[in-house]
Amino acid sequence: GAGVSQSPSNKVTEKGKDVELRCDPISGHTALYWYRQSLGQGLEFLIYFQGNSAPDKSGLPSDRFSAERTGGSVSTLTIQRTQQEDSAVYLCASSLGSGGGHQPQHFGDGTRLSIL
Amino acid sequence: KNEVEQSPQNLTAQEGEFITINCSYSVGISALHWLQQHPGGGIVSLFMLSSGKKKHGRLIATINIQEKHSSLHITASHPRDSAVYICAVSFSEETSGSRLTFGEGTQLTVNP
Repeated sequence: GAGVSQSPSNKVTEKGKDVELRCDPISGHTALYWYRQSLGQGLEFLIYFQGNSAPDKSGLPSDRFSAERTGGSVSTLTIQRTQQEDSAVYLCASSLGSGGGHQPQHFGDGTRLSIL
Repeated sequence: KNEVEQSPQNLTAQEGEFITINCSYSVGISALHWLQQHPGGGIVSLFMLSSGKKKHGRLIATINIQEKHSSLHITASHPRDSAVYICAVSFSEETSGSRLTFGEGTQLTVNP
């Protein structure tokens, strides 16, 4: 079956513009995670969805970042008024429920976001 | 201090060598994950373990819960094993699901 799909794969935009990143998880996966990998940095958690609810948004770096998930499937991560420090690879992962920490996460290929 | 520490940060080996990457963590966890990231960014989950040892092909992962330590071993290394290997841990919390906390990664280069 299809893996986690993210779009676009690359996005270049000017500082101050809004961007939307999309994640299509594996069918049937109820848990969805967004992570970010900045240049030369490790991966960091952004937000977790269980179904359409986001019980943990603690990793979102500012109120310019928001995310939603509809129909328990597709998720969009929106960054408003982009800044240069938002440049990073944004990764989405999904898993079969939260599984008490015992479910492997399947990663998409990421969206490489560059802010000029 | 990062909750997840990996060593070494960089590792260069000759083809055929036995490779070990280490990971230590500071708090109790539900599971430990080893991930592989190739140039271009795609991340693949290699292992998820909460105790003991797992083996897949030439890769072996072990974990010692008491010592809060895990190792990833690669036997008979090959240039195609060149990648970044990332250790990550997850905690079972109702509000956080299984969000991963990552180590900084180990850049492995295997020369022919």
